[in-house]
Amino acid sequence: AQKITQTQPGMFVQEKEAVTLDCTYDTSDQSYGLFWYKQPSSGEMIFLIYQGSYDEQNATEGRYSLNFQKARKSANLVISASQLGDSAMYFCAMRGFQKLVFGTGTRLLVSP
Amino acid sequence: DTGVSQNPRHKITKRGQNVTFRCDPISEHNRLYWYRQTLGQGPEFLTYFQNEAQLEKSRLLSDRFSAERPKGSFSTLEIQRTEQGDSAMYLCASSFDRDGYTFGSGTRLTVV
Repeated sequence: AQKITQTQPGMFVQEKEAVTLDCTYDTSDQSYGLFWYKQPSSGEMIFLIYQGSYDEQNATEGRYSLNFQKARKSANLVISASQLGDSAMYFCAMRGFQKLVFGTGTRLLVSP
Repeated sequence: DTGVSQNPRHKITKRGQNVTFRCDPISEHNRLYWYRQTLGQGPEFLTYFQNEAQLEKSRLLSDRFSAERPKGSFSTLEIQRTEQGDSAMYLCASSFDRDGYTFGSGTRLTVV
């Protein structure tokens, strides 16, 4: 069974600073995928970034990058140059055999 | 393509009533997933379809819950004899095989 752990219930960051949201995972599968989603107060889940277990390079998408450390089973999200609109819940997820398994999320607050 | 559409966005119902939610996936996506998200938690998997076949159901899906995906297009999730514990956000997602999960905006259910 897959499990995702997000140990930071809440994080604060000042505008224009970088922030790292932690995610560790557990799986016995050799092939898996790791995702990060953003959920604003309106409720929709917005895809941010994806990392495959066999990808050698860390994934990047604009201001988002994924710090993938396979041996440590961690997949931390780094947001550079935070913006006020980044304030939201952030979920790490793993693709198991057939479905996504989510962590409990981290609430990020960006202050001016 | 307008993405994954869920209706209604909000539903308030009295305990004991039946409710039905609808999800219209992205048209070329063959897989459709239902998740439930309670306050402060990550989404929890309920069930998924590949085309019209329901291939997996979570233990969370009690006998009062039923989901269908006739003709492999839209899906409905029905909850019979609603209980206050059913109050949650119900999220639908679709994908083509295991790639590119796209979520809808969700249906927020409140049972009073």
